[in-house]
Amino acid sequence: GAVVSQHPSWVICKSGTSVKIECRSLDFQATTMFWYRQFPKQSLMLMATSNEGSKATYEQGVEKDKFLINHASLTLSTLTVTSAHPEDSSFYICSAILGAWSNQPQHFGDGTRLSIL
Amino acid sequence: AQKITQTQPGMFVQEKEAVTLDCTYDTSDQSYGLFWYKQPSSGEMIFLIYQGSYDEQNATEGRYSLNFQKARKSANLVISASQLGDSAMYFCAMREGRDTASKLTFGTGTRLQVTL
Repeated sequence: GAVVSQHPSWVICKSGTSVKIECRSLDFQATTMFWYRQFPKQSLMLMATSNEGSKATYEQGVEKDKFLINHASLTLSTLTVTSAHPEDSSFYICSAILGAWSNQPQHFGDGTRLSIL
Repeated sequence: AQKITQTQPGMFVQEKEAVTLDCTYDTSDQSYGLFWYKQPSSGEMIFLIYQGSYDEQNATEGRYSLNFQKARKSANLVISASQLGDSAMYFCAMREGRDTASKLTFGTGTRLQVTL
């Protein structure tokens, strides 16, 4: 079954709106979560690494004031796209790691399709 | 240089046949992990198989196996007995170093289409 839950699945909103996406680890604690962005027919690009209780680590070129990440608990990380514009329309997907063993994959949520009108 | 290279944008395979999806990687780390994920049109990322850099045997998970050739830095995914439900995008990814909290770097993906 799913180990990471992401909500909402779809968002359509007007330009200038702020949108919050939630990523929850189910039945396990995730000190680290990851946020990715995927444009159509392209690969996943890491936006930031979310660390519980501390500031997120953003990848080069990602605006931290635009994409606010909060990892306030061991089971929840949120990504807020502030003052969203049409160019922010994309597929956003989060992931978490279940354990500390080297063979542990990142488990992904189902993703959020964001459309800004 | 690209860390993960998938040279096949698209592949076709007939149902019940085997197919190999190519992946080469570039790293100077001695410790790393290689992952394959499947992404159906619905968008979710499904973990398929893992190969560690120190693993001496090729990983296998059901119909999936990984042809790991360390000297050539390749980690090809082999899907045996293809099924229509295998039609999806397939991504190869690498995690460098020993820290499991390290980020994954993804390749550009291969779209697999299984035909009757």
